[in-house]
Parts: sequence; C-alpha cells; structure tokens
Amino acid sequence: DVKVTQSSRYLVKRTGEKVFLECVQDMDHENMFWYRQDPGLGLRLIYFSYDVKMKEKGDIPEGYSVSREKKERFSLILESASTNQTSMYLCASSLYGQGISPYEQYFGPGTRLTVT
Amino acid sequence: GIQVEQSPPDLILQEGANSTLRCNFSDSVNNLQWFHQNPWGQLINLFYIPSGTKQNGRLSATTVATERYSLLYISSSQTTDSGVYFCAVAGAAGNKLTFGGGTRVLVKP
Repeated sequence: DVKVTQSSRYLVKRTGEKVFLECVQDMDHENMFWYRQDPGLGLRLIYFSYDVKMKEKGDIPEGYSVSREKKERFSLILESASTNQTSMYLCASSLYGQGISPYEQYFGPGTRLTVT
Repeated sequence: GIQVEQSPPDLILQEGANSTLRCNFSDSVNNLQWFHQNPWGQLINLFYIPSGTKQNGRLSATTVATERYSLLYISSSQTTDSGVYFCAVAGAAGNKLTFGGGTRVLVKP
C-alpha cells in the first residue's frame, strides 16, 4: 500500500516564524504535491514537484516555497508565517504516467496549522 | 483551467438508502478521482476512473468522458459513509488535480 506521512497532525506557530511542513512517501513516486484546504474555498494546489530539485508553482504559491532534495521527501516552507496561512495542509504523491493508474494521487493525513 | 462542479452540495440519508453523487467537468481529462474525506481530514481514495465503470463493495462509479460527467453510487448506506465526497480531475498533463466543491453526506441511523 502507498503510504504518505506528514510530520505533524497539529501545529501552532506565531506570526513571523519560519515554518517547515514535511512530507514523506514510501512508493518511489516521481510526483509530489502540496495543497491547502479552507472552508468555502476547497482544496487548492500550492506547489508540486515532478523530480528531485524540480518544482512548479500551483494556483496559490504566494508566501510559500518548497524543497525536494530527496525523491521521497517534499517540504513546504512558510518563510514568515501569517494568520491568513492558518489552514489544513495536505501532501500527495503519484507516479508519472506509468502503470494501471498512471496519475492516481495518494494523500497524507494532513497538518492543521494555526498561526497566531 | 478545468472547472469542476459537484451536486448536490449536501445529502442527508437514512441508513440503508441508496444515493447518487454527480461530478460535471468542463474539459477532457486524463485523471478523475473520487475521494472520501473522513472526520479527521484524511482523503481516502475511492476510485481512479477517467473513463468507464468500477465497483468496490457498496460503492461504484461511472465516468462518461465524452459527456464530461462522473457519478458515484452509494448503496445500502451506513453511518460510516458520512463525510465529504470529492471529485477531482486533471487535464492533458494528468498530474495537476482540480477539486470540486464536495458533497457533504450525513447518514442517519
């Protein structure tokens, strides 16, 4: 079974802090993704990565950066956390166009981040 | 980008009832997934179904790609089926999902 894990289920940070959210997958997937989920706005893509050290902006990249130094790990970085970044953050991974379900994404359990 | 609309937004069912959830999308897709979000926020994969029909226990799904819609059927609903169901699609590249607004299902005992 595909397993995607996230470093924290709940996180509370102060405005202005630098925040790291970590995601690890164990299925040798090429693609990894970061989404945020907000009431009334649904799930939106922040960034994704299709290979080590490669990244692409999603729909809402402002205020975020990412790092992918190893294939299995994808980090989301909030350089200076703000209250409008309080949200549920979900990480996902997928293969790149192979197999019987070539683009199927698998999600981690999520991190509920509160910025005060 | 692709637009995704789900209906109905809310659904209240009596345990044992059957229901159909609908997902309309605005362009051709290479990826269509149905998810169930549990009360703890985890997205559980139900189906990967860019076309055709699949069944898994009491759940089944059909995607008619030429008409740009997908249906999720829940039969003999149970209280554990409660939660939010999301449809998500991706276009030609296949790897950037756009999510619908979800259908919130409540199954009453």
